[in-house]
Amino acid sequence: DAMVIQNPRYQVTQFGKPVTLSCSQTLNHNVMYWYQQKSSQAPKLLFHYYDKDFNNEADTPDNFQSRRPNTSFCFLDIRSPGLGDAAMYLCATSREGARQETQYFGPGTRLLVL
Amino acid sequence: SQQGEEDPQALSIQEGENATMNCSYKTSINNLQWYRQNSGRGLVHLILIRSNEREKHSGRLRVTLDTSKKSSSLLITASRAADTASYFCATPNAGNNRKLIWGLGTSLAVNP
Repeated sequence: DAMVIQNPRYQVTQFGKPVTLSCSQTLNHNVMYWYQQKSSQAPKLLFHYYDKDFNNEADTPDNFQSRRPNTSFCFLDIRSPGLGDAAMYLCATSREGARQETQYFGPGTRLLVL
Repeated sequence: SQQGEEDPQALSIQEGENATMNCSYKTSINNLQWYRQNSGRGLVHLILIRSNEREKHSGRLRVTLDTSKKSSSLLITASRAADTASYFCATPNAGNNRKLIWGLGTSLAVNP
């Protein structure tokens, strides 16, 4: 089945220790998104890729970086995680040009910072 | 910034009852989407309604859109315990419709 996959589902890291979260998709969608979601809140967009074109949100901290080596994969790098970065990180995809502008989400990676 | 607001923030009902959630938005839109999120999971798209539509059905879901009031409602009929989840409305950003503006969500608990 076509889907969005996130690994790992749970990630524990130490304060200040770089961490990478991964996302892959078999939908062949050209847009990929990374969201941060804290408890009982709406998802907050960090950035998105339109093909290889990176689009950062103005309020996304420099601590957060992303890479998209090919259509299928996208990575979220947190260079120096702080306690406030503990959250659920959601990857999503969409197909630019489709009449329905819906987003397809992965199951998320829950990040714990010790 | 969030443009969607949803009410109620939390809703608790018994199985078999209907659940209604409301969403309001501030700017003009070309569509409005509803998503469900089970606890600790990703979001799942439920239904999209376009600005020229007033009502849309999908199984036990009924969505209405009133563009004059800038509001939408999601009705879940004959609720089940498995409907327990958070429900979010989202609208495309006017400047870049690849981005969605999310409501704050309604947490629904369906008690068996």
